[in-house]
Amino acid sequence: GDSVTQMEGPVTLSEEAFLTINCTYTATGYPSLFWYVQYPGEGLQLLLKATKADDKGSNKGFEATYRKETTSFHLEKGSVQVSDSAVYFCALSDRGATNKLIFGTGTLLAVQP
Amino acid sequence: NAGVMQNPRHLVRRRGQEARLRCSPMKGHSHVYWYRQLPEEGLKFMVYLQKENIIDESGMPKERFSAEFPKEGPSILRIQQVVRGDSAAYFCASLDRGETQYFGPGTRLLVL
Repeated sequence: GDSVTQMEGPVTLSEEAFLTINCTYTATGYPSLFWYVQYPGEGLQLLLKATKADDKGSNKGFEATYRKETTSFHLEKGSVQVSDSAVYFCALSDRGATNKLIFGTGTLLAVQP
Repeated sequence: NAGVMQNPRHLVRRRGQEARLRCSPMKGHSHVYWYRQLPEEGLKFMVYLQKENIIDESGMPKERFSAEFPKEGPSILRIQQVVRGDSAAYFCASLDRGETQYFGPGTRLLVL
């Protein structure tokens, strides 16, 4: 079945460092891809999404490009801030009858001042 | 426009009791998903409902768990005779006309 694999954390960076969180997927069809962020004690917030190959999603300085050839959707940010500390989830939508989301296990990002 | 609302935010139950979790979708959304997040894990799909219909319950445990989304009122996730392994965060999400799901703040269930 469909699945999402993302790099394990925690990822610890200094403020203003470059961030990459890897995400790869396995899907039989052509899924939509998402990054969600979860701050401590809160629900998930949509960070960005891409719906087809070569699309780039972007928001708040974060970017991810839908790479069909490598089945990847890596999250990047050029300069992280302490306020970016959170858990980041990569997910795909099966785009079938249900559009249910399949999540990776999450990556904890800790940014130190 | 209010977001997805869930209550209670925290729920403590003793083994064998029942837990009822409520979810009100965003205004205008008629599709609701429930997900469970076990400690240190990602979210797992449980069930997908439209008003008065269960569309996909492939992620629901076969026993003790049920869900409904009545014509009026919130969606309810019901767990009967809770066990310690049910301790988790339960999130609901509602779907807009596209395919973006918007999540509520979650209910954190603790079974003693």
